[in-house]
Amino acid sequence: QVQLQESGPGLVKPSQTLSLTCTVSGGSISSGSYYWSWIRQPAGKGLEWIGRIYTSGSTNYNPSLKSRVTISVDTSKNQFSLKLSSVTAADTAVYYCARWSALLLYAFDIWGQGTMVTVSS
Amino acid sequence: SYVLTQPPSVSVAPGQTARITCGGNNIGSKSVHWYQQKPGQAPVLVVYDDSDRPSGIPERFSGSNSGNTATLTISRVEAGDEADYYCQVWDSSSDHAVFGGGTQLTVL
Repeated sequence: QVQLQESGPGLVKPSQTLSLTCTVSGGSISSGSYYWSWIRQPAGKGLEWIGRIYTSGSTNYNPSLKSRVTISVDTSKNQFSLKLSSVTAADTAVYYCARWSALLLYAFDIWGQGTMVTVSS
Repeated sequence: SYVLTQPPSVSVAPGQTARITCGGNNIGSKSVHWYQQKPGQAPVLVVYDDSDRPSGIPERFSGSNSGNTATLTISRVEAGDEADYYCQVWDSSSDHAVFGGGTQLTVL
């Protein structure tokens, strides 16, 4: 049973870089049928896709965040990571990592529990 | 970019049928996925590729997609179905995922 777990600081200062890691357990991140994604949700609001990465390192980002986002993968640790630079209060949200399944025509079939990140001085 | 439009809220009595719509330009040509999110929890996939169910999802959850509207149908609604529901597609023209704004389902 594949599980995802987010980790990282819960508080980030404005203008700094938000860094989160998602650890994949119960399966290999290098499986060819999946992409690995980050999604966020501000309190009381809807879901916003941030971006995705394939194990080859190929990435796609939400155009609205593209200039500030970097997603990377470490197959040796079975992890992938998110960096969001120059954060403001608008980046305060619950951040989820999720598996994006090509087998299910690109549905997010497994999600982490989410981690709350607050941007505040 | 591609926009998905959902009604903010839908209300239904227990035992009745709930229908939640997701509107988008020619959405019938795309694969639509639906997620259920209960308060304080991560979303759960309940329907993928318009009308298929992941294992463990009750048959009461079904979907359809045609023209400019996709629909999630929940039959014999139970109190435990009360949640937010989101539709999602992959926008191939811009190479990114798009979510609808979400619909809050209230069981009266």
